[in-house]
Amino acid sequence: DARVTQTPRHKVTEMGQEVTMRCQPILGHNTVFWYRQTMMQGLELLAYFRNRAPLDDSGMPKDRFSAEMPDATLATLKIQPSEPRDSAVYFCASGGTSAYNEQFFGPGTRLTVL
Amino acid sequence: SQKIEQNSEALNIQEGKTATLTCNYTNYSPAYLQWYRQDPGRGPVFLLLIRENEKEKRKERLKVTFDTTLKQSLFHITASQPADSATYLCAPDSSGGSYIPTFGRGTSLIVHP
Repeated sequence: DARVTQTPRHKVTEMGQEVTMRCQPILGHNTVFWYRQTMMQGLELLAYFRNRAPLDDSGMPKDRFSAEMPDATLATLKIQPSEPRDSAVYFCASGGTSAYNEQFFGPGTRLTVL
Repeated sequence: SQKIEQNSEALNIQEGKTATLTCNYTNYSPAYLQWYRQDPGRGPVFLLLIRENEKEKRKERLKVTFDTTLKQSLFHITASQPADSATYLCAPDSSGGSYIPTFGRGTSLIVHP
C-alpha cells in the first residue's frame, strides 16, 4: 500500500529555532507539493517540484522558508528562524505524471512554535 | 485574481438523504476540478476529477457536475451515511496553465443517524 510519509508528525519548538520537516513521496511519483493548512487560510500551496526541480515556490516566505529535494525519495521543508505565526499543519503530497495532478497527501506535520 | 468559494457553514443532513455541496469559482476558467475528502487530523484524500468538457462524473454514491457557464461544481453524495461525515474540499486547477490544483476552504458535512 503506497503512501506518502512525513516526519515528524508533531513538533513543538520555540521561536527562533530551526525546524526541518521531511517527506517521502510515493515511489514513482515525479511531483511533490508542500502545503500549509490553518483555520484562517485553509490549504495553501507553498512550493512544488517536478522531477526534483523546484517549479514554483511563490507561496513560500523566502526569507525564512526553504524547500529542497536532495533525491527522488526525500523532500524537505525548512523554517529558519521559526515564528509563532508559522504554527500550522504542513502537508506533503505527491502526484504522478498525469497532467491533472491528482495528489496523494501525507499525514501532515503539526508544528507549534511557542 | 482567482477565487474559490465553498460554503463555510456545516451541512447537516439525515442519514439516507442526498448531500449536495457547492463550489463556485470566479475570474478564470479551470481545465478541471478535483474533489477531496479530509477527516480530522488527516491529509486530504482524492475522490473525483472532472474535466471542463465533462458535465457529470460518477463514482459509486458520488456524483460531480461541472457547469462552466455558471462557474460552479456540485458534489453529491447519495444515500448518505454517518461515515460520510468529513470536510470536502474542491480544487480547480489554478490559472496560468500550470494545472496545479488550488484548494477551497472546504465544507463540513455532518450526517446524522
